[in-house]
Amino acid sequence: EVQLLESGGGLVQPGGSLRLSCAASGFTFSNYAMSWVRQAPGKGLEWISAFSGGGGSTHYADSVKGRFTISRDNSKNTLYLQMNSLRADDTAIYYCAKDRNTAMVGLFDYWGQGTLVTVSS
Amino acid sequence: EILLTQSPATLSLSPGERATLSCRASQSVISYLAWYQHKPGQGPRLLIYDASNRATGIPARFTGSGSGTDFTLTISSLEPEDFAVYYCQQRSNWPYTFGQGTKLEIK
Repeated sequence: EVQLLESGGGLVQPGGSLRLSCAASGFTFSNYAMSWVRQAPGKGLEWISAFSGGGGSTHYADSVKGRFTISRDNSKNTLYLQMNSLRADDTAIYYCAKDRNTAMVGLFDYWGQGTLVTVSS
Repeated sequence: EILLTQSPATLSLSPGERATLSCRASQSVISYLAWYQHKPGQGPRLLIYDASNRATGIPARFTGSGSGTDFTLTISSLEPEDFAVYYCQQRSNWPYTFGQGTKLEIK
């Protein structure tokens, strides 16, 4: 059974940093691209970053480019999101999502339950 | 960035009724359009991919159609567990984008 478990969320002050983790199990993690998607309070879903399986390619939404860094450790079956220079509008539930392909094809067949990040003073 | 507009924002129906949800793209996404179901406290669930293909384990009452800029998700006969928020998502162009969602509520 595929499982994705996010952790690392919490309350952080504006300008602060946080690192999210997503522990994966039930599939060969290294073979699949992975993404982070967030949902701000009362809003819809926003894709923010993707990391390919195998090749090391990454993509970012403009809203987080230069502030957030996606990475993965295939030996630990874990996806990360390093978030720096956090702003109030980064407040959201952050989900990790598994892509259906090694390449970043943007088709998310499994999702975690999310971790809440609150940016506030 | 491709904008996806979903309608209606809220749909109030009773179990057993037919639901029709729409998603319009600001430019052609060919058939690279997916639908997800999202319930509170859970991650979204993939229902339909590439406009009309049901994902693994999705009941036959869920049907997707459309191409280019206009897409439809139809739920033929609503079950109690179908009441949720539904999102469309395009993967034709970076960045991937989602619609703002349609809330399907019990009438």
